[in-house]
Amino acid sequence: SQQGEEDPQALSIQEGENATMNCSYKTSINNLQWYRQNSGRGLVHLILIRSNEREKHSGRLRVTLDTSKKSSSLLITASRAADTASYFCATDARFLDRGSTLGRLYFGRGTQLTVWP
Amino acid sequence: NAGVTQTPKFQVLKTGQSMTLQCAQDMNHNSMYWYRQDPGMGLRLIYYSASEGTTDKGEVPNGYNVSRLNKREFSLRLESAAPSQTSVYFCASSEDVSNQPQHFGDGTRLSIL
Repeated sequence: SQQGEEDPQALSIQEGENATMNCSYKTSINNLQWYRQNSGRGLVHLILIRSNEREKHSGRLRVTLDTSKKSSSLLITASRAADTASYFCATDARFLDRGSTLGRLYFGRGTQLTVWP
Repeated sequence: NAGVTQTPKFQVLKTGQSMTLQCAQDMNHNSMYWYRQDPGMGLRLIYYSASEGTTDKGEVPNGYNVSRLNKREFSLRLESAAPSQTSVYFCASSEDVSNQPQHFGDGTRLSIL
């Protein structure tokens, strides 16, 4: 089963509004990452938050992590049409692995964000 | 700076044919990865190479083989393609395997008839 699950599956907003996406996971992690994927392109890394961090900012992005609830959120403030993309969270999940575990990221199914001009 | 380059971008195969997907990175990264992305499934790891000379299975390795040709290049081979392998394949790289940010190519869209 998936280690990370994003919610909602789809989100549609107007330019200037804030967009919030959530990610839940099942096991203890070392870090959690968020990626963006524009249609027909590869994933682009946005931000990494470590398990001992609670909040991190990068430009218009704010990521929070609550390890007690095994959840994270990605907030995009003052959204733009160019933010239209799919957003994925990715976690490591060592206990799910057998043998070598390093280097394995588990991706959720993503949130499709549409920002209307 | 090209980053991660995948070839080809598109390919159509018949069931039973073989082919190799190529991936090269110019960031001097130690670790490289192959994923497949299917609708509604997110990305799933096929194989990865922690460093030159090593490869390890991911979540869905059956039907695939890989070769870490050198530090720059990591190829994925389908020996006998099956319709279930129709997917978009992504190659990625990172400085090392300690869950560093991964850098992705733009994918190979593979259809198997």
